[in-house]
Amino acid sequence: AQSVAQPEDQVNVAEGNPLTVKCTYSVSGNPYLFWYVQYPNRGLQFLLKYITGDNLVKGSYGFEAEFNKSQTSFHLKKPSALVSDSALYFCAVRDPLNYGGSQGNLIFGKGTKLSVKP
Amino acid sequence: DAMVIQNPRYQVTQFGKPVTLSCSQTLNHNVMYWYQQKSSQAPKLLFHYYDKDFNNEADTPDNFQSRRPNTSFCFLDIRSPGLGDAAMYLCATSRDQGTLPEQYFGPGTRLTVT
Repeated sequence: AQSVAQPEDQVNVAEGNPLTVKCTYSVSGNPYLFWYVQYPNRGLQFLLKYITGDNLVKGSYGFEAEFNKSQTSFHLKKPSALVSDSALYFCAVRDPLNYGGSQGNLIFGKGTKLSVKP
Repeated sequence: DAMVIQNPRYQVTQFGKPVTLSCSQTLNHNVMYWYQQKSSQAPKLLFHYYDKDFNNEADTPDNFQSRRPNTSFCFLDIRSPGLGDAAMYLCATSRDQGTLPEQYFGPGTRLTVT
């Protein structure tokens, strides 16, 4: 069965330092991978996605993610964290083998709370 | 601005009393989704509409129903809410064309069951 794992419940970073939020996946076939961010009492906002091509994907708000097939990982990164980046981050995967049957079959990880301190 | 709107933002209902949550979109997307997100958990897909075609996830309880009267609106009906149905309900849309599209989420409706 396809799944997504975010091994850290919380990541604490000082403002200005680089940040990494980890995500690993397990799917049959080639994965389609997403990162979303959720601010308090808000819906999820799309950050970036990987479908194919360059392993380094650039997204919104200065975030990027690196797809690593051998390690089945898709870690989210940012070179310099901002206090305003503090939020809940979700990694998600869609199994292309199931795409035709269920258009919305996004499987989310449990989320990682990012806290950036001044 | 084009967006996904959910009303109300906060809903309180009594145990067993039917409740309807609404979602509207100005994006003209053909796919609309409903997710349930319980505290400190990942969003879980309940069902989605691909145009007028309804697609229910296998483990969505029968207590949850949905209606999509037109492209812009989609409703989530909970026929007999239980205490375990208290959650944030997220509506999302996407345009299903070309390369895998991302989903656009509304702000959510937080449901409390008393």
